[in-house]
Amino acid sequence: DAKTTQPNSMESNEEEPVHLPCNHSTISGTDYIHWYRQLPSQGPEYVIHGLTSNVNNRMASLAIAEDRKSSTLILHRATLRDAAVYYCILRGLYGQNFVFGPGTRLSVLP
Amino acid sequence: EPEVTQTPSHQVTQMGQEVILRCVPISNHLYFYWYRQILGQKVEFLVSFYNNEISEKSEIFDDQFSVERPDGSNFTLKIRSTKLEDSAMYFCASSVSGAMNQPQHFGDGTRLSIL
Repeated sequence: DAKTTQPNSMESNEEEPVHLPCNHSTISGTDYIHWYRQLPSQGPEYVIHGLTSNVNNRMASLAIAEDRKSSTLILHRATLRDAAVYYCILRGLYGQNFVFGPGTRLSVLP
Repeated sequence: EPEVTQTPSHQVTQMGQEVILRCVPISNHLYFYWYRQILGQKVEFLVSFYNNEISEKSEIFDDQFSVERPDGSNFTLKIRSTKLEDSAMYFCASSVSGAMNQPQHFGDGTRLSIL
């Protein structure tokens, strides 16, 4: 699977939008972009995934660049419960497992 | 919403002893996985399991490890002779299929402490 690059940490204020970036310049045409998050003392939690088009669900939105070399996870109104490590992971044709990097640690300030 | 459940939440074992970690995947899922996370480190893939066979495994998953689905609901990870370095959080996950666009759903893990 191709590699992703994310900032180590980000901070946000409660009730404000958060944009979490991810670079994946070596993405292949068949790689899906998945986002997971891991709250303290919990397992990874699926957030959203996409291939080419922007995606929305009840948790977040995923904006994918036209050239697919980067994507942004958008939390529309951060809450304290959104404080977690966010992982951007590419999943392609080969391999069934997810390869987790260090992710972005998001802190939400009251 | 259906979820993956893992037991026990914390397991303390003497070095050299066998340990079995248990997982109940989501009921209509067909693919099952184990990952581990050593304290302060990344989540690492161990093994995937489908149709009663291992479909993929990492270098970490050596002969000390085994998995099985003894009945229609449980999925277990056995470590035959535990070492200190096996201390970690172990996460079970399941998915409907192994397709690239399918999310995996994780349990909250078993903390394994080897003394």
